[in-house]
Amino acid sequence: DIGMTQSPDSLAVSLGERATINCKSSQSVLYRSTQRNCLAWYQQKPGQPPKLLISWASTRENGVPDRFSGSGSGTDFTLTISSLQAEDVAVYYCHQYFSAPLTFGGGTKVEIK
Amino acid sequence: EVVLVESGGGLGKPGGSLRLSCAASGFTFGSYAMGWVRQAPGKGLEWVSSVSGSGGSTYYAESVRGRFVISRDNSKNTLFLEMNSLRAGDTAVYYCAKHYGDDWRLNWLDPWGQGTLVTVSS
Repeated sequence: DIGMTQSPDSLAVSLGERATINCKSSQSVLYRSTQRNCLAWYQQKPGQPPKLLISWASTRENGVPDRFSGSGSGTDFTLTISSLQAEDVAVYYCHQYFSAPLTFGGGTKVEIK
Repeated sequence: EVVLVESGGGLGKPGGSLRLSCAASGFTFGSYAMGWVRQAPGKGLEWVSSVSGSGGSTYYAESVRGRFVISRDNSKNTLFLEMNSLRAGDTAVYYCAKHYGDDWRLNWLDPWGQGTLVTVSS
């Protein structure tokens, strides 16, 4: 199984400041045939299902604000919110879809300082 | 617009059974793999099971293998999860989600339904 470890568990950032969330996989999730990393990021607000923000480690979904960006390769990944807005308060999860069982990080709770 | 609506949750007894359904609309159902992911109260996300678009390939998390069965009826655009030998640890919100492609391998889950709560208690 590929373990996904997120850090920090929680994060308090001032409005307009940068938030950075890290995700580390226990094995590489790089799919060599396409040279793409099988890593997604989700945002979950209270009482709602997770919403996909980023796939292939860095491809932002349609409609996702460009303040959200994903980076990294192999086993180390980062989700960055460049300028935190009030509506970004949520729990963020990384997810590997490289191999079964599919696994998720433990989540990072982002709050306003 | 893709819409996924789960049903069938509720109170189940330890050792008992429940059957979850997920009604899908807004896409060609049989062309996409589908999955179930659960979230225990106040906890993170745990993938449970996925099935290919044809229904011919399935995979289960170790925690439910041998107890849960995933299936689909492509003629009715519906996904199922038969949950047997229920345990207290199965208590969670169960989400139905669409994979990006027709195989669950190498395809993320999006979108997700609103979820249905399963509570296992005597």
